[in-house]
Amino acid sequence: DVKVTQSSRYLVKRTGEKVFLECVQDMDHENMFWYRQDPGLGLRLIYFSYDVKMKEKGDIPEGYSVSREKKERFSLILESASTNQTSMYLCASTSGDFQGFTGELFFGEGSRLTVL
Amino acid sequence: AQTVTQSQPEMSVQEAETVTLSCTYDTSESNYYLFWYKQPPSRQMILVIRQEAYKQQNATENRFSVNFQKAAKSFSLKISDSQLGDTAMYFCAFMNYGGSQGNLIFGKGTKLSVKP
Repeated sequence: DVKVTQSSRYLVKRTGEKVFLECVQDMDHENMFWYRQDPGLGLRLIYFSYDVKMKEKGDIPEGYSVSREKKERFSLILESASTNQTSMYLCASTSGDFQGFTGELFFGEGSRLTVL
Repeated sequence: AQTVTQSQPEMSVQEAETVTLSCTYDTSESNYYLFWYKQPPSRQMILVIRQEAYKQQNATENRFSVNFQKAAKSFSLKISDSQLGDTAMYFCAFMNYGGSQGNLIFGKGTKLSVKP
């Protein structure tokens, strides 16, 4: 079974803290994504990566950074957490093989972050 | 820029009945993919069904089928014989053919409740 694992299901942090959200996939996928999910706003892309050490900004990158040192791991970093970053964060991955691409993203279960 | 609109924030249906979720999109491209994703409560998001824009035939996956109207830029999801396990958030999504793989644009979602 394919698997995308997010390290923490629930986190509570204080304003100004540095927060790391980890995501690991076991499918040897090239492409990995971080989305933010808020009620009434759907999913919004924060950052994505097509290869190790590569990153691209999504639609809402402000206040976030990412790290991809290994193919299977993609980390989302909140340098100084703020209350407006309270949200559900979803990691996803997919194959980078265009010939075999089906459009299917494989998602983790999500990390619900509360910033007090 | 492409946009995806789901006009029904919430819907409900009785078990065993049929329900249709609406989705419209806006694009100037002629080749693209459309998707419906399902997010059950507290569980990870999964792909339900996929449609390639160049295919005129509507996609079907068991009890799930789509009504793809390219000229109208409409992509609705029909769930037949609804089951309690269909209770979930449903997201319509769009991706350009040949675009950044996995970089989907999501609608805001429709919360579907199946009632016994």
